[in-house]
Amino acid sequence: GNSVTQMEGPVTLSEEAFLTINCTYTATGYPSLFWYVQYPGEGLQLLLKATKADDKGSNKGFEATYRKETTSFHLEKGSVQVSDSAVYFCALSDWSGTYKYIFGTGTRLKVLA
Amino acid sequence: DVKVTQSSRYLVKRTGEKVFLECVQDMDHENMFWYRQDPGLGLRLIYFSYDVKMKEKGDIPEGYSVSREKKERFSLILESASTNQTSMYLCASSGVGGASEAFFGQGTRLTVV
Repeated sequence: GNSVTQMEGPVTLSEEAFLTINCTYTATGYPSLFWYVQYPGEGLQLLLKATKADDKGSNKGFEATYRKETTSFHLEKGSVQVSDSAVYFCALSDWSGTYKYIFGTGTRLKVLA
Repeated sequence: DVKVTQSSRYLVKRTGEKVFLECVQDMDHENMFWYRQDPGLGLRLIYFSYDVKMKEKGDIPEGYSVSREKKERFSLILESASTNQTSMYLCASSGVGGASEAFFGQGTRLTVV
């Protein structure tokens, strides 16, 4: 079945460092891909999405490109801030009769001042 | 502002109790979902619903049931709560189409003692 694999955390970076969180997926068909962020004590918020191959999603300085040839959707940010500390989830939409979402296990990011 | 609202942020229940978790969305979404979130396991789908009175089992439905009598409301029921159901429960909703993102509530942290 469809699945999402993302790098294990925690990831600890200094402020202004470059961030990459790896995400790969397995899917039949053509899923849409998402990155969600979860701040402490809150639900998940959509960070960005891409709906077809070679699409780039971007928001708040974060970017991810839908790479069909490598089945990847890696999250990047050029310069992280302390306020980016959170848990990041990669997800795909799975069409198998009705839509549902499959999530990775999450990657905790901690940014130090 | 679009909203998914869960009835409680924190709940403490006793083993064997019947527990109701309520979720309401104001976006007229067809799809609604219940996930549980546990450390290291990410989000796991319990049940989802694609229309009023329609429901489908997710990956871990055992010990749970759901009810969707109105489009905006999706309830998760723990028939007889057990300690292994202590977890964070997240409700989400989405429109139709694979490009639609899921919108999440703030989560309910349930402790079963």
